[in-house]
Amino acid sequence: AQTVTQSQPEMSVQEAETVTLSCTYDTSENNYYLFWYKQPPSRQMILVIRQEAYKQQNATENRFSVNFQKAAKSFSLKISDSQLGDTAMYFCASSSNTGKLIFGQGTTLQVKP
Amino acid sequence: DAGITQSPRYKITETGRQVTLMCHQTWSHSYMFWYRQDLGHGLRLIYYSAAADITDKGEVPDGYVVSRSKTENFPLTLESATRSQTSVYFCASSDTLSGNTIYFGEGSWLTVV
Repeated sequence: AQTVTQSQPEMSVQEAETVTLSCTYDTSENNYYLFWYKQPPSRQMILVIRQEAYKQQNATENRFSVNFQKAAKSFSLKISDSQLGDTAMYFCASSSNTGKLIFGQGTTLQVKP
Repeated sequence: DAGITQSPRYKITETGRQVTLMCHQTWSHSYMFWYRQDLGHGLRLIYYSAAADITDKGEVPDGYVVSRSKTENFPLTLESATRSQTSVYFCASSDTLSGNTIYFGEGSWLTVV
């Protein structure tokens, strides 16, 4: 069975600083995908970044990047130059060939001015 | 506009009543999903469908029924609503052509009194 664990319920960062959110996962699949989703107070689920497990290169999307450690089953999200609009809950998720997405418990990030 | 839409967005119902949440997507994605999110928690998979007329249980299927007679629609029915089913319900869709990325609707807020 797939599991995703986010061990940091809450984090805070000063505006313009860098913050890293942690995520570990477990899966028996050989081919899978990993995601970070952002959920602002509106509750809308917004895709932040996506990583294909067979690719060794870490995915990057503007200020967002991941540190994908396949052997350790770790998938952390780094947010550079944090902005007030980054304040949200962030979910790590894993999907398998069946297409199901399994979520972690979420990390609430507060960006302080 | 193309995308994934849910209706109703907000619903209050009484214990014991039947409620159906509608989901419609315009991308012709193969996979569709229903998740629930309880306050302060992550998303849990209720049911998913790999194609028309194919459905399967997720993590928390009890008390729910789904159908998929057409690719674009995936309604979720609470046969006899209970207070524990008060939650925000998210419909989602994906396709291998989208790299298994899952796209979410805006959510349906359901309160059972």
